[in-house]
Amino acid sequence: DQQVKQNSPSLSVQEGRISILNCDYTNSMFDYFLWYKKYPAEGPTFLISISSIKDKNEDGRFTVFLNKSAKHLSLHIVPSQPGDSAVYFCAASATTGANSKLTFGKGITLSVRP
Amino acid sequence: DVKVTQSSRYLVKRTGEKVFLECVQDMDHENMFWYRQDPGLGLRLIYFSYDVKMKEKGDIPEGYSVSREKKERFSLILESASTNQTSMYLCATRKRYRGYEQYFGPGTRLTVT
Repeated sequence: DQQVKQNSPSLSVQEGRISILNCDYTNSMFDYFLWYKKYPAEGPTFLISISSIKDKNEDGRFTVFLNKSAKHLSLHIVPSQPGDSAVYFCAASATTGANSKLTFGKGITLSVRP
Repeated sequence: DVKVTQSSRYLVKRTGEKVFLECVQDMDHENMFWYRQDPGLGLRLIYFSYDVKMKEKGDIPEGYSVSREKKERFSLILESASTNQTSMYLCATRKRYRGYEQYFGPGTRLTVT
């Protein structure tokens, strides 16, 4: 059973508008969440993260919101730029300390139209 | 900056061949991971290693094995390649006790014919 769900496989937005990418999780033990961005033929790169003790984390144009009661997080990109077109993976971790690992969602393909 | 390299960007092998994929990192990270990425399935964990000579199965270990003889090197082995192992293979590393982020290599696109 998938523990991290990205139910929308794709999203298309106009340049300059807001992109909202959603992620849901089922494991209540998850306590840390990350977003990765992946271009074709490259490895994923870390974008932004949030701890379960927070409900918002912001880094420039990127903001992640966490709603623990709903087991839902979202990534907001404002304003969206054509260079943001990529696959975005949501990931979560339930283990802390020395040897944590991540559980990834299936990814969302974002297309930003000029 | 963390540097994670993978031995090949593109690889074509025949069914039944033994295939070695190698990952090397230069940042003294203890944890190393192998994933495969397939369209519509996201990133799935094959095997991981917490430290030298340590290994644990991930979510889809069948048909694969791994080797970690040195800290900087983590090898993924396909004992007898099959067409359903055609995929993008990604290696990642993580520094123990230093956050949750994993750092990925560029990936190897493996095609088994």
